[in-house]
Amino acid sequence: DIQMTQSPSSLSASVGDRVTITCRASQSISMSLNWYQQKPGKAPELLIHGAITLQNGVSSRFGGSGSGTDFTLTISSLQPEDSAIYYCQQSYSSPMFTFGPGTKVDI
Amino acid sequence: QVRLVQSEAEVRKPGAAVKLSCKASGYSLTSKDIHWVRQAPGQGLEWMGIINRGDGGATYSRKFEGRVTMTSDASTNTIYMELSSLNSEDTAVYYCARGAAVLTSIGNLVTSIKFLDFWGQGTLVTVSS
Repeated sequence: DIQMTQSPSSLSASVGDRVTITCRASQSISMSLNWYQQKPGKAPELLIHGAITLQNGVSSRFGGSGSGTDFTLTISSLQPEDSAIYYCQQSYSSPMFTFGPGTKVDI
Repeated sequence: QVRLVQSEAEVRKPGAAVKLSCKASGYSLTSKDIHWVRQAPGQGLEWMGIINRGDGGATYSRKFEGRVTMTSDASTNTIYMELSSLNSEDTAVYYCARGAAVLTSIGNLVTSIKFLDFWGQGTLVTVSS
């Protein structure tokens, strides 16, 4: 089974900061990596699919990069509404998916 | 617009079963897969399984194999997830989510990238004696 890890598990940053979250797969998953944002009490929302493609309607301050086993989610200029937990998820082993443990971003 | 509306919260005793529903609107159920994902209190997201758009067949996480059944009713655009032999560790919010896919060129290969583009609001299941 493909395992996903994320770092850091949590971070605290200020408005306007550039924030980077890393996701690593236990084996190569090409670019089958997606990112989700979850705010308290809400369902997750898709931010990025295919490692780099911004979902329609998502702010351009979110960006994704990487391929193979190492991936990055970057928030270029942190805003108050970005306070959330961010999850990576692999779909390489589709139909089975695996989520990373999440990264909590506090502002 | 696409919406997934889930059933209300449930309370069950240990050993019982629960059947949750997820009603899709704004698109045809037969055009997209549906996944189920759960989240225990204060924990991360856990993928449970998928019901296929075409034949209605399902694939389950090994963790839930034998305890979970996912079904669909195309006439009402509704998907169901039944989990049996409940224990306290099954206390969680259960989400249905629509599967989507796009074709992407990676090098010389064309790959189907799959993801979850719309989510239901979640159903809290509490297992307590």
